Amino acid sequence: QKEVEQNSGPLSVPEGAIASLNCTYSDRGSQSFFWYRQYSGKSPELIMFIYSNGDKEDGRFTAQLNKASQYVSLLIRDSQPSDSATYLCAAQDSSYKLIFGSGTRLLVRP
Amino acid sequence: EAQVTQNPRYLITVTGKKLTVTCSQNMNHEYMSWYRQDPGLGLRQIYYSMNVEVTDKGDVPEGYKVSRKEKRNFPLILESPSPNQTSLYFCASSPTPFSTDAGANVLTFGAGSRLTVL
Repeated sequence: QKEVEQNSGPLSVPEGAIASLNCTYSDRGSQSFFWYRQYSGKSPELIMFIYSNGDKEDGRFTAQLNKASQYVSLLIRDSQPSDSATYLCAAQDSSYKLIFGSGTRLLVRP
Repeated sequence: EAQVTQNPRYLITVTGKKLTVTCSQNMNHEYMSWYRQDPGLGLRQIYYSMNVEVTDKGDVPEGYKVSRKEKRNFPLILESPSPNQTSLYFCASSPTPFSTDAGANVLTFGAGSRLTVL
């Protein structure tokens, strides 16, 4: 069973801090990885995707991928209370199926 | 506006009463999918469709049916709902799931349909 694992949290950080969200995946053939943000009662919305080893930055967000360790992370710099949400990691496996983790709840304290 | 539209957004029904949740997208996407989301279990795929008249089971298809007669529509049918189908349901679409361009695989989600089966 191919899996994507995330710590459910909540991860609590003070406003202005860096929030680090982590995700591991079991299928070594996975090629593309996605981070979605989901506010309570709302639908997931894409933050960013990454498919190459290393870092990818988009504004306050940085995705990091290490395929050797089967590890993906999302860093949120200068965290704001409005970043409080559940963050879903998804991996597209070798058969192109998208597998979601159960999400990490982030709480940014004012 | 590019979007995925689901209806109804909220529904309370009783065991055994057939219901349909509609899903429509206006982005000419080939790929459409239904997910259910339950606390602690994340998003689980019910059914998906790679194009018109092509559908396949996801991870939790039992108790559900789908059809894809038109590219834009992908309704989810519960023939005889049971309480264990109480959940939050999302329809999603993407240009294609089989592209090496990760951007083409990005899912756009509908607003969700909260279903309660008594």
